[in-house]
Amino acid sequence: KAGVTQTPRYLIKTRGQQVTLSCSPISGHRSVSWYQQTPGQGLQFLFEYFSETQRNKGNFPGRFSGRQFSNSRSEMNVSTLELGDSALYLCASSLVASGGAYEQFFGPGTRLTVL
Amino acid sequence: AQSVTQLGSHVSVSEGALVLLRCNYSSSVPPYLFWYVQYPNQGLQLLLKYTSAATLVKGINGFEAEFKKSETSFHLTKPSAHMSDAAEYFCAVSDLGGATNKLIFGTGTLLAVQP
Repeated sequence: KAGVTQTPRYLIKTRGQQVTLSCSPISGHRSVSWYQQTPGQGLQFLFEYFSETQRNKGNFPGRFSGRQFSNSRSEMNVSTLELGDSALYLCASSLVASGGAYEQFFGPGTRLTVL
Repeated sequence: AQSVTQLGSHVSVSEGALVLLRCNYSSSVPPYLFWYVQYPNQGLQLLLKYTSAATLVKGINGFEAEFKKSETSFHLTKPSAHMSDAAEYFCAVSDLGGATNKLIFGTGTLLAVQP
């Protein structure tokens, strides 16, 4: 069975631009979560979607937004990019939102570099 | 609030030696706890999880972890390290409530295996 796919894998943008990252969950999974990974802050939760509804949101500015489509694919958008947004963005999918009863599967991530 | 603390950002062992990676948690309710591994340029892979069943949890690749409530610990061990175990390891706790998949991660431990 295909795993979680994230596109693109690598992205270079300049300050002030905006970016959209995509995540396709494992077939049948309805829960998608996003995380930002940086050397300084580690892994931080961005948001979680289930059946097209945002269920939970981390402590990030409003420049970070996301959505989920009816086929469970998810996108996250970062507007007005800052240097500090350079990070690996990870997507994880799960059957349902269960607090961990069902395994979350992570994608390979999108490496965003902001110049 | 839920949190995890990983002691030791870098651990180095010889091939064949015991691997011990430390994780302490803070939780106001019985937690779900996880260990993930991340290889370079890849996403996270679940090694094992504790969900209040057995306190000794066996995972993939010969790893196991023991939940000790009295010590609020969930240390990861492997009797004999292989070169292929070199990676970064993250301990995580599930956020409060079973209706979210939000994970709170520790800062990670980079494991080096010397020949």
